[in-house]
Amino acid sequence: EAGVVQSPRYKIIEKKQPVAFWCNPISGHNTLYWYLQNLGQGPELLIRYENEEAVDDSQLPKDRFSAERLKGVDSTLKIQPAELGDSAVYLCASSSRGSSYNEQFFGPGTRLTVL
Amino acid sequence: TQLLEQSPQFLSIQEGENLTVYCNSSSVFSSLQWYRQEPGEGPVLLVTVVTGGEVKKLKRLTFQFGDARKDSSLHITAAQPGDTGLYLCAGQTGANNLFFGTGTRLTVIP
Repeated sequence: EAGVVQSPRYKIIEKKQPVAFWCNPISGHNTLYWYLQNLGQGPELLIRYENEEAVDDSQLPKDRFSAERLKGVDSTLKIQPAELGDSAVYLCASSSRGSSYNEQFFGPGTRLTVL
Repeated sequence: TQLLEQSPQFLSIQEGENLTVYCNSSSVFSSLQWYRQEPGEGPVLLVTVVTGGEVKKLKRLTFQFGDARKDSSLHITAAQPGDTGLYLCAGQTGANNLFFGTGTRLTVIP
């Protein structure tokens, strides 16, 4: 079974430029999460989708961040414009409705560097 | 925001030594998970504990959930270089979201 796929793995941009990250969850997983992880720290939730609906986006900085999950499968996270402080690893995770305790499966992440 | 504090933040030990990592919060969680993350990869689930006082063993790793379901510990016996990584605890609330701890970076020196 294929795991969570993310691309690109690395992205270097200059501040004020736009950037987008893509995630393909595990087949059949209806819940998809985007996390931000700073170096050596735990992931912080940005947004959670149940199918195509964003059910928790309270931590998403909506002035510059946006996300979509068309058709309830793949998802895209966008930052426009990027700031220096956005440099971090962006993780995507998915889980199944049938999971007893919200066991999440993570992708390898996209490491963003904003210069 | 439920805050999960892990200690120690960094730990460097020799191969064969034992260690314990702690995860503490003032919040009560319906379940608590432990993940290990290696450089360049996403976190990988190790275990889920649900019942207060529960103890689970995974080979040389022993996980315990506090009686009040506010804290947890991870004990590793006879650490090996392959145990090196970032250990994360994560507490789940009824809202189905996970709140991750601050992380413990473990280095096991051969």
